[in-house]
Amino acid sequence: DAKTTQPPSMDCAEGRAANLPCNHSTISGNEYVYWYRQIHSQGPQYIIHGLKNNETNEMASLIITEDRKSSTLILPHATLRDTAVYYCIVLDNYGQNFVFGPGTRLSVLP
Amino acid sequence: DTGVSQNPRHKITKRGQNVTFRCDPISEHNRLYWYRQTLGQGPEFLTYFQNEAQLEKSRLLSDRFSAERPKGSFSTLEIQRTEQGDSAMYLCASSLAVTSTDTQYFGPGTRLTVL
Repeated sequence: DAKTTQPPSMDCAEGRAANLPCNHSTISGNEYVYWYRQIHSQGPQYIIHGLKNNETNEMASLIITEDRKSSTLILPHATLRDTAVYYCIVLDNYGQNFVFGPGTRLSVLP
Repeated sequence: DTGVSQNPRHKITKRGQNVTFRCDPISEHNRLYWYRQTLGQGPEFLTYFQNEAQLEKSRLLSDRFSAERPKGSFSTLEIQRTEQGDSAMYLCASSLAVTSTDTQYFGPGTRLTVL
């Protein structure tokens, strides 16, 4: 079973920030938080990952709470092309296979 | 484009036929994974290879499924005697597992329809 829980769906206005939450209350100290997204009929696309510190790249920012029990993926200026299913996954550094939950379906509205 | 390619992109077959899919990972990646995804669900892990060794298989991988990675480069996934329940998207991913994390990069998938 997936170790994360996410809201099933969210809406965001185009140009606004999209904040996607993820709960991972049973995360252990050596488990990373990964975010992927999947646009319809395509393979999952890597977005970002982190362990303890907040992370930022050209696609998004990842904010991890101090107790590491939850995180938020931030798309700073959502566009229509960001409409997708977003998956939050926790993975042990020594684990190999991702366990995907149902994810959050983000709809960016014009 | 992640650099992971899969062929064919679509396959339609009749129940009982055998099918084979191919995955070409990013060239320097030593790990290769297969996942299956049905409509409305997240991907489910099937199996993975480190170089040519198949190190883990999910219980989802029935006896009708076999995967190979003979030279540690490309991989094939074969399904024998296909059933309608095998209809799904089959995803391949690869990673370079020598760094502190193991980010997987996915291919576009092969969509299988069993009639």
